[in-house]
Amino acid sequence: GEDVEQSLFLSVREGDSSVINCTYTDSSSTYLYWYKQEPGAGLQLLTYIFSNMDMKQDQRLTVLLNKKDKHLSLRIADTQTGDSAIYFCAESRRGSTLGRLYFGRGTQLTVWP
Amino acid sequence: KAGVTQTPRYLIKTRGQQVTLSCSPISGHRSVSWYQQTPGQGLQFLFEYFSETQRNKGNFPGRFSGRQFSNSRSEMNVSTLELGDSALYLCASSLAASVQETQYFGPGTRLLVL
Repeated sequence: GEDVEQSLFLSVREGDSSVINCTYTDSSSTYLYWYKQEPGAGLQLLTYIFSNMDMKQDQRLTVLLNKKDKHLSLRIADTQTGDSAIYFCAESRRGSTLGRLYFGRGTQLTVWP
Repeated sequence: KAGVTQTPRYLIKTRGQQVTLSCSPISGHRSVSWYQQTPGQGLQFLFEYFSETQRNKGNFPGRFSGRQFSNSRSEMNVSTLELGDSALYLCASSLAASVQETQYFGPGTRLLVL
């Protein structure tokens, strides 16, 4: 995960929007993913975006991609306490790395009531 | 459609022992990838299998091995366990693991080495 960077912590109040940021370095990235991990659980796929897209919206989730700056963000609207979890940004790359995702270290989102 | 299943969910072993973890992919998925998750190193890629062939391998010692069966189920084995092998082991499946294929993760096997 050394090529994918995320801030480690984010705290927001219930009802506010959360924005989780991610930067990556490999220009061959094709798909970029957001996964959610709750305590003691595996990774749940939230959404993904193809590298030739700028934005994707899926209900409360909005993904923005700035390919020039290699910056990805996940916005969660009307954040709820149930959104408290660790969020991982991940990328897939062309070439010989089939089946491998490159992950960030994860952002711990805490939502206060 | 059932998700990715992993067995066992929890395991306690002692140093020097070996362990085998199992992963059953989503029906119809032919690619299985394995990851190790630790607080210190985060998520690290172990290996990926497609049609019973290992196509990709991460930077882990030879004590870590795996295989895939004709029904796409996969196992990973860790021999001569070390304390540092304590981790959550996650497997993920995808249809064919091209770069367009999304990976779906199982709940993981939590291994504790004493």
